[in-house]
Order: sequence, then C-alpha cells, then structure tokens
Amino acid sequence: DVKVTQSSRYLVKRTGEKVFLECVQDMDHENMFWYRQDPGLGLRLIYFSYDVKMKEKGDIPEGYSVSREKKERFSLILESASTNQTSMYLCASSFTGAGANVLTFGAGSRLTVL
Amino acid sequence: ILNVEQSPQSLHVQEGDSTNFTCSFPSSNFYALHWYRWETAKSPEALFVMTLNGDEKKKGRISATLNTKEGYSYLYIKGSQPEDSATYLCALYGGSQGNLIFGKGTKLSVKP
Repeated sequence: DVKVTQSSRYLVKRTGEKVFLECVQDMDHENMFWYRQDPGLGLRLIYFSYDVKMKEKGDIPEGYSVSREKKERFSLILESASTNQTSMYLCASSFTGAGANVLTFGAGSRLTVL
Repeated sequence: ILNVEQSPQSLHVQEGDSTNFTCSFPSSNFYALHWYRWETAKSPEALFVMTLNGDEKKKGRISATLNTKEGYSYLYIKGSQPEDSATYLCALYGGSQGNLIFGKGTKLSVKP
C-alpha cells in the first residue's frame, strides 16, 4: 500500500560526499516536493517540481539540486554534503487542481553528515 | 514571507482528556488550510483540508474548525488516547503549486 517510496531510511555520509536521495510515487501525481524537517523549524521546502524536467526553488534551495527525468521519480542531490545538511528529508507528491494540493508523504530519509 | 503559527509547541495530557490547539495564518492569503498528523517513525498523513470560512470537519474523535476572516483554525481531540500521540501540523495553501506553508507543529503526548 506504499504510495511514496524513499530509497533510504537512514544514511550516514562524510563531508564533501555527493548524496542522492531518491523518491518514487505510484499515484501518477504531477507535483513532487522535497522538504527537510529540523527540530524547532518545522517542514521547509527545498525544491518542487510540477512536471517532468521542471523544477522550482523552494525556501531553502542552497546546497541542493534536483532531477525529475520521469513523472514518478524525483531525486534530491547534495553535490557536496556538509554537516548543516544533517536532517530528516521528506518527499511528497500531489495532484494539481482539485484537492487543494493535499500532500502524500514518504516515510522520510534521515541523513547524517559527519 | 507568509507565517503560519501553531500553539502550543507541545502538549502533555492524560488519557481521556480532551484537548485543542491552534493554527494562525494571515487571512489575506488564503486558499485552503491543511491539517496533517505525523506519528513517530511514520509518514505525515493528511487529516483535513478546509477551504470555507466556518468549515467544520470531523474524523472520529478529531475535529477541526476554520475562521478565514480572523485567520485561525482549531484542532480538537475528544477523549485523547495514547495512539493520538503525534505531531500535528497545519499548512496554509496559497493557491499555487509549491505554496504550502507549514507551521512548526504541536507535539501531543498522551499518557496512559
């Protein structure tokens, strides 16, 4: 019954490494999102995509990039991981239009950068 | 920058207590208000989507009200149970695809 799947629940990486976080949804949703969640800060939007090969910056895009080559897959890339990118990363997807953009979330990926 | 405020930040109640918490938002940028429940080790799940002033939605023991004119929504839990322990997030949807602004959440702990 899993609808949004994130590739890794827990990752430990070293400073400077390139990190890929993968997200796949099976609901044919147009929109996909990457958030990070930090204690006391709530969910903050990193990037989103409303169509294949389209991407838009969210509130905190610095240090991240994304890729959406297929409708069902949205990847978050940390080109050179830093310790301040240690966080919980959540992927989400939604339909456009009716439904007021209700999000379906993945289970999250907890990234630790040493 | 739009700001969505939730209060209290955390709440500890006994099993059987009824409780409520608040989400405040700027009333001038309203399209919809979402409530999500996020249990530990699980994905956040949508509880309610509210669009009309005066809306009241209910799911079991949980209900929510909306006042778009004054910019607030209340979430009520009647007879709290330990399984209600979670972080409750509200989010303001401003009508464009990426524009879902989350509050910081209210963390509810229900003691048996």
